[in-house]
Amino acid sequence: SAVISQKPSRDICQRGTSLTIQCQVDSQVTMMFWYRQQPGQSLTLIATANQGSEATYESGFVIDKFPISRPNLTFSTLTVSNMSPEDSSIYLCSVEDSSRAWGRATGELFFGEGSRLTVL
Amino acid sequence: AQSVTQPDIHITVSEGASLELRCNYSYGATPYLFWYVQSPGQGLQLLLKYFSGDTLVQGIKGFEAEFKRSQSSFNLRKPSVHWSDAAEYFCAVGDGYSSASKIIFGSGTRLSIRP
Repeated sequence: SAVISQKPSRDICQRGTSLTIQCQVDSQVTMMFWYRQQPGQSLTLIATANQGSEATYESGFVIDKFPISRPNLTFSTLTVSNMSPEDSSIYLCSVEDSSRAWGRATGELFFGEGSRLTVL
Repeated sequence: AQSVTQPDIHITVSEGASLELRCNYSYGATPYLFWYVQSPGQGLQLLLKYFSGDTLVQGIKGFEAEFKRSQSSFNLRKPSVHWSDAAEYFCAVGDGYSSASKIIFGSGTRLSIRP
């Protein structure tokens, strides 16, 4: 298993500002994932953060809006830039279970507690 | 394309009653199936998972789920719910080969417990 800590746990932000969310894992992991969970919605993957390379963004998400850093194997940041009320969401950091079952990845994800952003 | 459907947005059951949360999936091969729970103000925690073998899988907190290939379903069950089970439940599907970026989450079912 993995223990994931996110900061801040919640914040209220003004329109047009940017906020950086930090994610710390208690073990070294190759990939870290950032999800968005809009109010009453399911999880949507924003991007995959690999150490030593640029993040891979999913359709509908761009680096200018959601820049990601991955300076080492235990830490990542997600910045929400030029925020608008539509960015009010819970942002979740996640890592994948490193164990294997019959040589295949288990696919299990471990999540941080999330960062709840409210944009006014 | 693979997809996951949770037809019930919100369910209310009485404490001590049985529970079944529905999950249907669309997938071309044998899927990896998951149920996650999200308590208020928390991240997601894995309840159970199915890869292969016995179609009835046991999870944490007294939950179980049954994989029914003929019905493309993976319903979550609990014989007697507790007030602490009030949470959001997400079904998810993956292929076990790709990274977690290929895991698809359902829209979630919110469970409320009536005292």
